[in-house]
Amino acid sequence: EPEVTQTPSHQVTQMGQEVILRCVPISNHLYFYWYRQILGQKVEFLVSFYNNEISEKSEIFDDQFSVERPDGSNFTLKIRSTKLEDSAMYFCASTVSGNTIYFGEGSWLTVV
Amino acid sequence: AQSVTQLDSQVPVFEEAPVELRCNYSSSVSVYLFWYVQYPNQGLQLLLKYLSGSTLVKGINGFEAEFNKSQTSFHLRKPSVHISDTAEYFCAVSERGNTPLVFGKGTRLSVIA
Repeated sequence: EPEVTQTPSHQVTQMGQEVILRCVPISNHLYFYWYRQILGQKVEFLVSFYNNEISEKSEIFDDQFSVERPDGSNFTLKIRSTKLEDSAMYFCASTVSGNTIYFGEGSWLTVV
Repeated sequence: AQSVTQLDSQVPVFEEAPVELRCNYSSSVSVYLFWYVQYPNQGLQLLLKYLSGSTLVKGINGFEAEFNKSQTSFHLRKPSVHISDTAEYFCAVSERGNTPLVFGKGTRLSVIA
């Protein structure tokens, strides 16, 4: 069964460093998302992406965050200058039409 | 704006006993409803979904959920749980269309032998 894949599975980075989280959505999907889950808390929406542009973003998705689909298959989330509070599990997700969203296994980001 | 309430943060239950995990939502428009499961150290897996039609939906691993529009609920049930069902369960809602999912805080189901 096709699946959303994410790399890395775990990354430790120093505060202030840039981080890029990578995702390969399911191949025929058109809508892409990033969510995050701070340890012990609920899953929160960050951003959605369709037709090569951001379609919606939450308050969390400030100027430190950016997304890109550089080559038609990868979908990346960049955090420009990481803060301690960015430590979380980041989930990539994709869907064909919006009625069923498939999630990847997540990327654990630890900022020290 | 939509919101999801999962009243129980933790539910311990003995193996082979039935379980119900509660979920209530609020929305001013028609919604899609979902349950996702997160096993320890893993990602989110879709358990089941309600899009339209029959209000009783069946998912994987013997789980089912019933959409109750008048009570704005979408409770998850399983008649007999196994140790392997120990996980975090998230209820989520989205408005019809391509709006983002809004998740509840999750319910940790612990199955005791």
